[in-house]
Amino acid sequence: DVKVTQSSRYLVKRTGEKVFLECVQDMDHENMFWYRQDPGLGLRLIYFSYDVKMKEKGDIPEGYSVSREKKERFSLILESASTNQTSMYLCASSPADRELYEQYFGPGTRLTVT
Amino acid sequence: GQQVMQIPQYQHVQEGEDFTTYCNSSTTLSNIQWYKQRPGGHPVFLIQLVKSGEVKKQKRLTFQFGEAKKNSSLHITATQTTDVGTYFCAADQTGANNLFFGTGTRLTVIP
Repeated sequence: DVKVTQSSRYLVKRTGEKVFLECVQDMDHENMFWYRQDPGLGLRLIYFSYDVKMKEKGDIPEGYSVSREKKERFSLILESASTNQTSMYLCASSPADRELYEQYFGPGTRLTVT
Repeated sequence: GQQVMQIPQYQHVQEGEDFTTYCNSSTTLSNIQWYKQRPGGHPVFLIQLVKSGEVKKQKRLTFQFGEAKKNSSLHITATQTTDVGTYFCAADQTGANNLFFGTGTRLTVIP
């Protein structure tokens, strides 16, 4: 079974703190993604990566950065957390298969910024 | 940017009734995927549609991709309480493995 794990299920941080969210997948997938999920807005793509050390901006990259030093690990960084970054953060991975590239999601990290 | 509209946002049905959610795009899609997220859970892949006019079935679930590849639907026949959750469509416009998710339809099934 594909497994995508995230470092924390719940996280509480203060405004201005630097926050690291870690994601690890064990299926040797090329693609990895970070989304945030907010009520009524669905899943919005923050950043994605097609390969080690590669990153691409998604729809809402402002206030975030990412790091992919190893194929299995994709980190999301909030340089200076703000209250409007309180959200559920979901990591996903998918193979580079051109025919079928379903995304496998981690359990999510619910981040609260106070 | 790519836009995918999904309706309705919420749907309450009595157990045994049918349910349909619709996904619409203003642009032609390369393919479309459907995901289900149970309450408190994470999205789980259901199916991918690629061909114009494609219809696929999974037990009581029927998925359709429009002839123009701009819309899709998910229909559940005779809903059960296990169908509760939020259903998302996710569209790939460019074939670049990058999905744009709809806002989801949250289904409640009343026993």
